[in-house]
Amino acid sequence: NAGVMQNPRHLVRRRGQEARLRCSPMKGHSHVYWYRQLPEEGLKFMVYLQKENIIDESGMPKERFSAEFPKEGPSILRIQQVVRGDSAAYFCASSPRTGFSSGNTIYFGEGSWLTVV
Amino acid sequence: DQQVKQNSPSLSVQEGRISILNCDYTNSMFDYFLWYKKYPAEGPTFLISISSIKDKNEDGRFTVFLNKSAKHLSLHIVPSQPGDSAVYFCAASAGNQFYFGTGTSLTVIP
Repeated sequence: NAGVMQNPRHLVRRRGQEARLRCSPMKGHSHVYWYRQLPEEGLKFMVYLQKENIIDESGMPKERFSAEFPKEGPSILRIQQVVRGDSAAYFCASSPRTGFSSGNTIYFGEGSWLTVV
Repeated sequence: DQQVKQNSPSLSVQEGRISILNCDYTNSMFDYFLWYKKYPAEGPTFLISISSIKDKNEDGRFTVFLNKSAKHLSLHIVPSQPGDSAVYFCAASAGNQFYFGTGTSLTVIP
């Protein structure tokens, strides 16, 4: 399967614990995006990363949330001290190059469903 | 501020008829537009796209129309099939970021 791989698919955390969501982009893709979908809402942009760089994190909550995309290994979205409001589906997407005017497309993974109890 | 809007949260269409999903945007800098389809508990899958230099793009049963002056795009599915029942998201792009609408849930009735 050469698609965007996310794990875990489902994660349950108690309030105050940490959640780590992983994303391996499609082969040959060096740009990763994280989106969040809250219940009954659309896809909200969180962060855009390239290898070892955060390009745009304007959609990330100011506290408790962080993201990285190291030189080796998957991209990680980390949520510290989770609260019930963090319960959502988190989607990772990847693209092969910057900019979309030339017809670039981002491809999504299957998502990671976080439930905070 | 929602820069991409899908004002119809749901749509029901009889099998074989045309489905028309609408999307409005506010940012005139957007130059590339896409539609994604999403089934429950799955990630969105790319459906069709259109560049701002065009006003129509067709792929099989799916056609996307772009009206730049009205800042409006639409997705036409004809003929609609029960397997088309899903949530459809439109997205607009300028530079490196996509902005998504809130989605329209399409139900195709057999």
